[in-house]
Amino acid sequence: QVQLQQWGAGLLKPSETLSLTCAVYGGSFSSYYWTWIRQPPGKGLEWIGEIIQSGYTNYNPSLKSRVTISLDTSKNQLSLKLTSVTAADTAVFYCARGVYGSSDYYYDYWGQGTLVTVSS
Amino acid sequence: SYELTQPPSVSVSPGQTAGITCSGHKLGDKYASWYQQKPGQSPVLVIYEDNKRPSGIPERFSGSNSGNTATLSISGTQAMDEADYYCQAWDSSTAVVFGGGTKLTVL
Repeated sequence: QVQLQQWGAGLLKPSETLSLTCAVYGGSFSSYYWTWIRQPPGKGLEWIGEIIQSGYTNYNPSLKSRVTISLDTSKNQLSLKLTSVTAADTAVFYCARGVYGSSDYYYDYWGQGTLVTVSS
Repeated sequence: SYELTQPPSVSVSPGQTAGITCSGHKLGDKYASWYQQKPGQSPVLVIYEDNKRPSGIPERFSGSNSGNTATLSISGTQAMDEADYYCQAWDSSTAVVFGGGTKLTVL
C-alpha cells in the first residue's frame, strides 16, 4: 500500500522560504510524476509542479520563479521550496503521485496535506 | 491558458442520480479525471481516463466525456457522497488543470 507522508513548517512570515518534505512508502519511486498541489482556504486546487526520478522538473508558470522541487531517491522523498512567500501563498499543500499514461495524467495517491500560513 | 469550468454547487435527493459537469474547450479530446474531497481531507481519485474507477470506488460513480463537457454521475446518491468534486485534465500544451470544484449537497 502506497502512503505519502508530508511535513514542514506551518507558520511563516512574509518573505521567508516555505519548505516541505514528502516521504513515499510502498510502491516504486520510478515511473511516476511526483507532484505538489496547493489549495488556499475555501478555494480550489492549484498545480505547483512536478518531478520525475531523472530529475526532470516542470513548474506552474505563475510560480516558476519562486519554486524548486527536488528528489532524494535514496530516501524516497520529494521536497518543495517556495521563496519570498506572501499571504497569498497561505494554503494547504499536498504532495501527490502522478500517473502518466499515453494521453492521460491523474493523481492516485495524495499526502495528508500541510497547512502553511503566512502572517506577520 | 486552458480552463475547466464547473458549477459551484449541485443538489440531489438521496437515492437519486447526481450529475456534475466540467466544461472546457474540446475537453472530449483529452482525458478527464475526477476527485472527491470531504472537509478536512485530501482529495480522492474517483474517476480517471474519463470513465474508469480505481479499486475501492463504488460502482455508483461513473464518468463520461464528449465534446466540450465531461460529466461525473453518481447514481443512488448517499449522504456519504456529500463532498466537493474537482475535475482535472491534461495535455502536453496545457499541463495539469483543475476545475474550480463543485459542492455536492445531498438533501
